[in-house]
Amino acid sequence: GAVVSQHPSWVICKSGTSVKIECRSLDFQATTMFWYRQFPKQSLMLMATSNEGSKATYEQGVEKDKFLINHASLTLSTLTVTSAHPEDSSFYICSASQTPEGYEQYFGPGTRLTVT
Amino acid sequence: GQNIDQPTEMTATEGAIVQINCTYQTSGFNGLFWYQQHAGEAPTFLSYNVLDGLEEKGRFSSFLSRSKGYSYLLLKELQMKDSASYLCAALDSNYQLIWGAGTKLIIKP
Repeated sequence: GAVVSQHPSWVICKSGTSVKIECRSLDFQATTMFWYRQFPKQSLMLMATSNEGSKATYEQGVEKDKFLINHASLTLSTLTVTSAHPEDSSFYICSASQTPEGYEQYFGPGTRLTVT
Repeated sequence: GQNIDQPTEMTATEGAIVQINCTYQTSGFNGLFWYQQHAGEAPTFLSYNVLDGLEEKGRFSSFLSRSKGYSYLLLKELQMKDSASYLCAALDSNYQLIWGAGTKLIIKP
């Protein structure tokens, strides 16, 4: 149980284009979903927290107009990286929780984004 | 400020025991997590401690001392597949996860 999928698993895009990453909880309803970014040899950095049907809460320093998050249902959240630049290249990981507090998060497999 | 400290890298021998320590300073505390992360993959949940003491799960055990702001992950009968990064994360009073940088564990035959 508690499986989270993420699509795509990897993507290469050109600078200036937009990329959408999907995060789905397959066998449970996710009250809260989290989006993280991880640079090589560094820990996870929380980008934003989203609850179904409401606007995402972004961490300080994360541009909400650049990283658009939509939590349309209890099983799906999407992250769109708009006007991507090479510095946006990173490993993006979503996680889902059955509680608003985010207790015991279940992670998706991650999406490796490379912007050329 | 909030902070998690854990060693950057540790090396151990196959079949042996290794203990990975983690100290934390957070605004409030609602529990401590350990995750395993293999290179290029997302973290997988290992354990959650909110009360003092030792929780055992097969070859892995996790310990918490709230008064000392300290936890450790104990791995027994090490296998080559245990080579990974181990992330310590504390849940603060706002239920936000504060992540450590991870400990890279290298297992040698």
